[in-house]
Amino acid sequence: QQPVQSPQAVILREGEDAVINCSSSKALYSVHWYRQKHGEAPVFLMILLKGGEQKGHEKISASFNEKKQQSSLYLTASQLSYSGTYFCGTETGNNRKLIWGLGTSLAVNP
Amino acid sequence: GAGVSQSPSNKVTEKGKDVELRCDPISGHTALYWYRQSLGQGLEFLIYFQGNSAPDKSGLPSDRFSAERTGGSVSTLTIQRTQQEDSAVYLCASSLGRSPLHFGNGTRLTVT
Repeated sequence: QQPVQSPQAVILREGEDAVINCSSSKALYSVHWYRQKHGEAPVFLMILLKGGEQKGHEKISASFNEKKQQSSLYLTASQLSYSGTYFCGTETGNNRKLIWGLGTSLAVNP
Repeated sequence: GAGVSQSPSNKVTEKGKDVELRCDPISGHTALYWYRQSLGQGLEFLIYFQGNSAPDKSGLPSDRFSAERTGGSVSTLTIQRTQQEDSAVYLCASSLGRSPLHFGNGTRLTVT
C-alpha cells in the first residue's frame, strides 16, 4: 500500500533540475508532497487532486497521472535551500488518511 | 499565529514505563493526526481525529498505544509499557478541512 518513491537519493549542483517520482499500486484520490529538513518538521509543497486541481508552491511544479497512479515533482533551477528529504503522501479515497513513501533525499551543492 | 506545538521535545524513558506525548494543534483546526517516524523511514500513520467523529485508530501498532483529543483541541498520545522498538520521533499535524497539514516539531522518544 505504501507508495514507492524514486530515486532514493539525488545530488545536484545549484541550478540543476531534478524530478522525483511517486508511484502507487492503488487508484489515487490525491497526492501530497512535503519537504523535511534534518531535525525539522515536514513542510507542505503541493497537493494534487483527482480531476486535475493543483495547489502548491510557486517555484516547484508537479504532475499527477491518475491512470498510471503516479505523481512527479519537478524542481527546476535548484537552490541550496531545496536540500532535504521529499515525501509523497497518497490518499486512496476522500478520507484524509495519507500513506507516505519512504522519501527521496535531495542534496544541492554550490 | 502559533503553529502546532508538541511537548516534550525529547523524552528518554526506561523500558516498561508509560509515556504521554502532547500536541496542541493550530486553533480552529478540526483535523489532528499522529505519525511516527523512525530513523531514515517515512511517516507511519497512527491515528486521525476529525471534529466530533470517532477517531480512525487503524494505524495504532498495538493496544499499548492510545490517544485522545479533549474538547476538539489538545491531544495526548499515550504509550504504555514502552518497548525499545517504540523509540522514534512522534509527529503531530493539524489541518482545517482539505487544507495542507501543519506539522509540529515532534517528540523524540528514546526507550532505554
